[in-house]
Amino acid sequence: GAVVSQHPSWVICKSGTSVKIECRSLDFQATTMFWYRQFPKQSLMLMATSNEGSKATYEQGVEKDKFLINHASLTLSTLTVTSAHPEDSSFYICSARDTPPSGGLNTGELFFGEGSRLTVL
Amino acid sequence: GDSVTQMEGPVTLSEEAFLTINCTYTATGYPSLFWYVQYPGEGLQLLLKATKADDKGSNKGFEATYRKETTSFHLEKGSVQVSDSAVYFCALRTGGTSYGKLTFGQGTILTVHP
Repeated sequence: GAVVSQHPSWVICKSGTSVKIECRSLDFQATTMFWYRQFPKQSLMLMATSNEGSKATYEQGVEKDKFLINHASLTLSTLTVTSAHPEDSSFYICSARDTPPSGGLNTGELFFGEGSRLTVL
Repeated sequence: GDSVTQMEGPVTLSEEAFLTINCTYTATGYPSLFWYVQYPGEGLQLLLKATKADDKGSNKGFEATYRKETTSFHLEKGSVQVSDSAVYFCALRTGGTSYGKLTFGQGTILTVHP
């Protein structure tokens, strides 16, 4: 299957600093990527939908200014956690939709990155 | 709104035991249904899927049948192995403008002992 890579896989930072996490589709173009957050022993919660060349769509309750998402190219989306605090510590996972050339809105498979574990001290 | 409910874990089994993890859903329209697996320290991997009623998804000895009448998609495996120890997530996806957005269940931790 297609490969989605996240970087870094883990990061430790001090409170108040900003952290950027990258999500790359390695062998396909992804017009749409999704960012999820997973708390320990809990399910994945969708944070936002990232569309190439346009603003991200955030889920209710997710702070746009806190979690900045940029989807500058068809193979890269970034999530920046600004002014991170200990409560932002979590496992962040992205997924990318592989859209066939002839595909419409309801096509394409989803592939997940390996996740990025953020620890804020 | 859409929701997925999985049986609570953790589930602990001996090797070669039969596995069932229950999953029921609530959704508008006709969702696609998925089971994902997450091994320790890793991201999610698609295990199997079904896109319409009565479809059976299968992979690596795991099976699940899309039951529209009972809104269920239970995961089964006849003989589990230690390597199956992981967290299993049931998920659904609807179409339209929300296509690609997955709604996950809470996950079920499976531990298989030798």
